[in-house]
Amino acid sequence: AQTVTQSQPEMSVQEAETVTLSCTYDTSESNYYLFWYKQPPSRQMILVIRQEAYKQQNATENRFSVNFQKAAKSFSLKISDSQLGDTAMYFCASETSGSRLTFGEGTQLTVNP
Amino acid sequence: DAGVIQSPRHEVTEMGQEVTLRCKPISGHDYLFWYRQTMMRGLELLIYFNNNVPIDDSGMPEDRFSAKMPNASFSTLKIQPSEPRDSAVYFCASNQGDYGYTFGSGTRLTVV
Repeated sequence: AQTVTQSQPEMSVQEAETVTLSCTYDTSESNYYLFWYKQPPSRQMILVIRQEAYKQQNATENRFSVNFQKAAKSFSLKISDSQLGDTAMYFCASETSGSRLTFGEGTQLTVNP
Repeated sequence: DAGVIQSPRHEVTEMGQEVTLRCKPISGHDYLFWYRQTMMRGLELLIYFNNNVPIDDSGMPEDRFSAKMPNASFSTLKIQPSEPRDSAVYFCASNQGDYGYTFGSGTRLTVV
């Protein structure tokens, strides 16, 4: 079975600074995908960034980037130039064959003005 | 596309009543998922469909829960009879390929 672990229940950062959210996973699959989702207070689940396990290059989407360490099974999210609108719960997730997503426990990020 | 559409957005019902949650996936997406989110258990996969066929329902908590997908544009999740411990946010999501899921806005269910 797949497992995804987020060891930081809560984090805070000052506006305009950089913050990194941690995630580790365990899988026996050789081909898989990793995701970060954002859930603001509106409760909408929003896809932030996606990483294909067979690609060595780290994914980047504007201010969001990942540090994917396949051997260590680590998949951290870096948010640069944090904005107040980044305040949300962030979930790390892995996708196995058959397209099922397994989520971590989530990290509540608060961006302070 | 309007995205994944769920209804109702909120549902309050009395214990023992039947509850039906509805979902319209994105057109052309051939996978549909039902998730439940609670503070205690986080996001749990209940069941998912591929091309309207249930593939894995091992996450359905008990026989009180059932899900159907009669066609590619509609799915329901039914709880009968409902219990207070079923109170949660229920998400529907759809997917095509491995790009990532698109979630609906969720249904907040409260069973009193």
